[in-house]
Amino acid sequence: AQSVTQPDIHITVSEGASLELRCNYSYGATPYLFWYVQSPGQGLQLLLKYFSGDTLVQGIKGFEAEFKRSQSSFNLRKPSVHWSDAAEYFCAVGTQTGANNLFFGTGTRLTVIP
Amino acid sequence: GAGVSQTPSNKVTEKGKYVELRCDPISGHTALYWYRQSLGQGPEFLIYFQGTGAADDSGLPNDRFFAVRPEGSVSTLKIQRTERGDSAVYLCASSLLGSGNTGELFFGEGSRLTVL
Repeated sequence: AQSVTQPDIHITVSEGASLELRCNYSYGATPYLFWYVQSPGQGLQLLLKYFSGDTLVQGIKGFEAEFKRSQSSFNLRKPSVHWSDAAEYFCAVGTQTGANNLFFGTGTRLTVIP
Repeated sequence: GAGVSQTPSNKVTEKGKYVELRCDPISGHTALYWYRQSLGQGPEFLIYFQGTGAADDSGLPNDRFFAVRPEGSVSTLKIQRTERGDSAVYLCASSLLGSGNTGELFFGEGSRLTVL
């Protein structure tokens, strides 16, 4: 069965600082991996996804993530955080069966301080 | 509209009552999903429709929960004899299957259910 672990419940960074949010997954085959962002009162928005190929994927809003099979990880990074990045971030794993239903982590809440 | 639409956005009900939550997916999306998000948690899969049929309902917690999608578009999640533990945000998502499938789910803003 699939599962996702986001070990950091809450992270606080200063505006302009770099950011890395951790995600570890468990799945027997090559997974589909996603990062979604959820702002207060907003729906989940896709930041980026990994299916295959280049293990470093670029997303919207200046985010990137790197798939590391050996570590079963898909960490999200941003070189310089903006105050508007404050939100809840969810890592998710899907299967390649075509069904597309995702299994989400418990999320990491990002606070950005001036 | 262009996105996934969910109604109502907020629903307050009393324990034991019946509730219906509606989801209108993106036009042309054949797959529709219901998730439940409790406070402080990530979305939890409930059920997945491919067309009109429920392809996977393994996430429904018990037989008080039921969902339909009679014409392969709009879906209704039905909860009977609501309990306080059912309080959560119910998220609907849709995606395109087959050719053009990117695996991306498009989420609505959710229906917040509060059971008193």
